[in-house]
Amino acid sequence: GPKVLQIPSHQIIDMGQMVTLNCDPVSNHLYFYWYKQILGQQMEFLVNFYNGKVMEKSKLFKDQFSVERPDGSYFTLKIQPTALEDSAVYFCASSPGGRAAETLYFGSGTRLTVL
Amino acid sequence: QQQVRQSPQSLTVWEGETAILNCSYEDSTFDYFPWYHQFPGESPALLIAIRPVSNKKEDGRFTIFFNKREKKFSLHIADSQPGDSATYFCAASDGSSGNKLIFGIGTLLSVKP
Repeated sequence: GPKVLQIPSHQIIDMGQMVTLNCDPVSNHLYFYWYKQILGQQMEFLVNFYNGKVMEKSKLFKDQFSVERPDGSYFTLKIQPTALEDSAVYFCASSPGGRAAETLYFGSGTRLTVL
Repeated sequence: QQQVRQSPQSLTVWEGETAILNCSYEDSTFDYFPWYHQFPGESPALLIAIRPVSNKKEDGRFTIFFNKREKKFSLHIADSQPGDSATYFCAASDGSSGNKLIFGIGTLLSVKP
């Protein structure tokens, strides 16, 4: 089936540093998402993105977070500066748009550890 | 309130039994209810989904039962197999293009041979 690729699979950084998580969504998909999952808890919505703009962001999407997809390349989540509570697995997802818009295809996640 | 509650958090059944996973919601605007499953080290993947125009959706051994009045929906896995062992997440959204899914906490299902 369609594949969403996330790079890297693991990232360890020191608190206060910047980190960029990369997502290669399914080709021709129009909507992009980031979710955050802390161990043992549910995946929580961070943000969705369409046509170069943020559609909606949750209260977890702090001011230190930003997303972009320059010129159809990777869809990125940048955290600057990072904090200890940002340690989690971050899942990227994409969906096609139209009737099937609600079918989200997920990547396998980037495990971020902030020391 | 945009929450989806899921139970149990873990479930163990014997091979051949029916596993039942439960979810409930509060937001009346929710119009789309998928179940995702996730095997260790893999991506969450859509398993089956329902819209409230019907109260039952079947796909092979997997059935969603939906109760709009009580705002509850459940996943029944008939004739459970060890290969079904995974984490199952229920979710809900208003079904519009690009709208977010709200996920439950997940049920870790273990099917013993």
